[in-house]
Amino acid sequence: QVQLQQSGPGLVKPSQTLSLTCAISGDSVSSTTAAWNWIRQSPSRGLEWLGRTYYNYKWWNDYPVSVKSRITINPDTSKNQFSLQLNSVTPEDTAVYYCARASGGSSSWFDYWGQGTLVTVSS
Amino acid sequence: DIQMTQSPSSLSASVGDRVTITCRASQSISAYLNWYQQKPGKAPKLLIYAAFSLQTGVPSRFTGSGSGTDFTLTISSLQSEDFATYYCQQTYSIPLTFGGGTKVEIK
Repeated sequence: QVQLQQSGPGLVKPSQTLSLTCAISGDSVSSTTAAWNWIRQSPSRGLEWLGRTYYNYKWWNDYPVSVKSRITINPDTSKNQFSLQLNSVTPEDTAVYYCARASGGSSSWFDYWGQGTLVTVSS
Repeated sequence: DIQMTQSPSSLSASVGDRVTITCRASQSISAYLNWYQQKPGKAPKLLIYAAFSLQTGVPSRFTGSGSGTDFTLTISSLQSEDFATYYCQQTYSIPLTFGGGTKVEIK
């Protein structure tokens, strides 16, 4: 059974960096049949995919243009986890953040999710 | 980006009712369409993947259909535990995008 356990602060000041970690059990971050994603949800923006990292002969990342200049998703093979860093945050980045595993190759359905972390951007 | 539009945004129904939710993509996405259920305070739960494949453990009263731009999620006989918000999601192209959700409420 795959489990994803999120950790990280719930309060971040404007202009600072939001950092979250997702620890994986029951699977490997280096799996060649999965991708590891971050998704956020807010009342104003709904569910928004933030990006993914996956291993296929080398490490790959995909990000939407909307956050590409501010975001980094990194795998940590030594701890079997992956992380999210979002720079220069504003109150618009306030949301519940989820990590999720995607299966199905290019089809990418999210079959396992973390518990969610409410991150508030406020001074 | 591919826009996903769900309708209705909310509906009221009774236990035992047949419920249909529609999702329309702004361009053809073949069958690269997934459905999720979300209850308050919880992460979304995968129900249907690749348009019509039922995720393991999901009751058979949930069915998905469609291809191209038009998709439906049908609940054949609504149960009390099905009152929730439902989302579609396309995986045809990056960025992966979700619909705005359909909230199913008790009539």
